[in-house]
Amino acid sequence: DIQMTQSPSSLSASVGDRVTITCRASQSIINYLNWYQQKPGKAPKLLIYVVSSLHRGVPSRFAGSGSETEFTLTISSLQPEDFATYYCQQSFTSPHTFGQGTKLEIK
Amino acid sequence: EAQLLESGGGLVQPGGSLRLSCAASGFSFSNSAMTWVRQAPGKGLEWVATISGNGGLTFYADSVKGRFTISRDNSKNTLYLQMNSLRAGDTAVYYCAKEIIVVVVPALSLWGQGTLVTVSS
Repeated sequence: DIQMTQSPSSLSASVGDRVTITCRASQSIINYLNWYQQKPGKAPKLLIYVVSSLHRGVPSRFAGSGSETEFTLTISSLQPEDFATYYCQQSFTSPHTFGQGTKLEIK
Repeated sequence: EAQLLESGGGLVQPGGSLRLSCAASGFSFSNSAMTWVRQAPGKGLEWVATISGNGGLTFYADSVKGRFTISRDNSKNTLYLQMNSLRAGDTAVYYCAKEIIVVVVPALSLWGQGTLVTVSS
């Protein structure tokens, strides 16, 4: 199985900050990489698919990049509603494994 | 508006069975692969199983293979997860999700609200 490792596991930041979350795959997944956002008590939501394409309704302050084994999610200017947990997921091969999550908290 | 609504969760004893349902509306269900994802209390997301639009292809996580069966009834726009031989480690919120394919890359574009399964004596 492909292992997905996110870093950091948690992150404290302030409104207006620029933050970056990294996701590493244990082998090449080319561009089969998606990002999800989950708020407490809620279902996850698709944020970015195919590395860098924003799902409908997702603000342009979110951006994804990377290829092969290393990927990043960047939020250019944190807003209060962005404090949540973020998960990467590979869909290159079954099982479509998720990273362990990155909890973004208010400083 | 596209929507997914899970049901069937509850408390079950170890070794018991439970069937989850996921009612879909607002999109072409039969043309969509569907997935179950679970989340143990305080933990991350775990992909469980996926089924193709016509039900002909199924995929399972090793942790549930042989115990869980994913199926669908396209005439009822409903997805199922039959869970047998349940263990304490299966305790989780179970989400159903709709899969989209963009440039051959699958992603889970629509999620239900989840249903809690608790395995305990």
